[in-house]
Amino acid sequence: QQQVKQSPQSLIVQKGGISIINCAYENTAFDYFPWYQQFPGKGPALLIAIRPDVSEKKEGRFTISFNKSAKQFSLHIMDSQPGDSATYFCAASILGNQGGKLIFGQGTELSVKP
Amino acid sequence: NAGVTQTPKFRVLKTGQSMTLLCAQDMNHEYMYWYRQDPGMGLRLIHYSVGEGTTAKGEVPDGYNVSRLKKQNFLLGLESAAPSQTSVYFCASSGHSTNEKLFFGSGTQLSVL
Repeated sequence: QQQVKQSPQSLIVQKGGISIINCAYENTAFDYFPWYQQFPGKGPALLIAIRPDVSEKKEGRFTISFNKSAKQFSLHIMDSQPGDSATYFCAASILGNQGGKLIFGQGTELSVKP
Repeated sequence: NAGVTQTPKFRVLKTGQSMTLLCAQDMNHEYMYWYRQDPGMGLRLIHYSVGEGTTAKGEVPDGYNVSRLKKQNFLLGLESAAPSQTSVYFCASSGHSTNEKLFFGSGTQLSVL
């Protein structure tokens, strides 16, 4: 049972544009929502994360927007660069849940064209 | 600073063969995880461990076994490999239950023919 649904599956953006990736979750007990970035041949790495007590978190060009009532959250990449080309995964978990098991979305392959 | 190290990086098996994937972390983390990554499916948790000597099932545990005899190592075993187990396997670790940041290895690409 896929509890976190991610879209789109792939995304092509021109350099300098805005990349937007969306995720929706089902379990209202989730209270931690990270995004991971994965380059080819590498393991995923934590990019940015948010908890549901805030509606937005920004770190540099990366912003998470969170809508608790809609059970949705999204990643915005401003001024997208070719170096941002990677696969992005959203995820969700319940903090304190023993082992901190993350449930991942299906992934979005982002390609930023020069 | 090695972080999380997985061996081997690539492996080809025939159906019915067995193998063990090794994960080692040098960060003194309590929690360790095995995920598999398949196109369009994201990362799915196979098994995990909350400390030395403990293991627990994740989302897709069937056909796999694990052991955590030492804190720094987490082994994933396939007793009788099947083509459906063709995947990229990632090991990850994290410090404690309130620290959700996972540190991933670089993966093992496994093909079962």
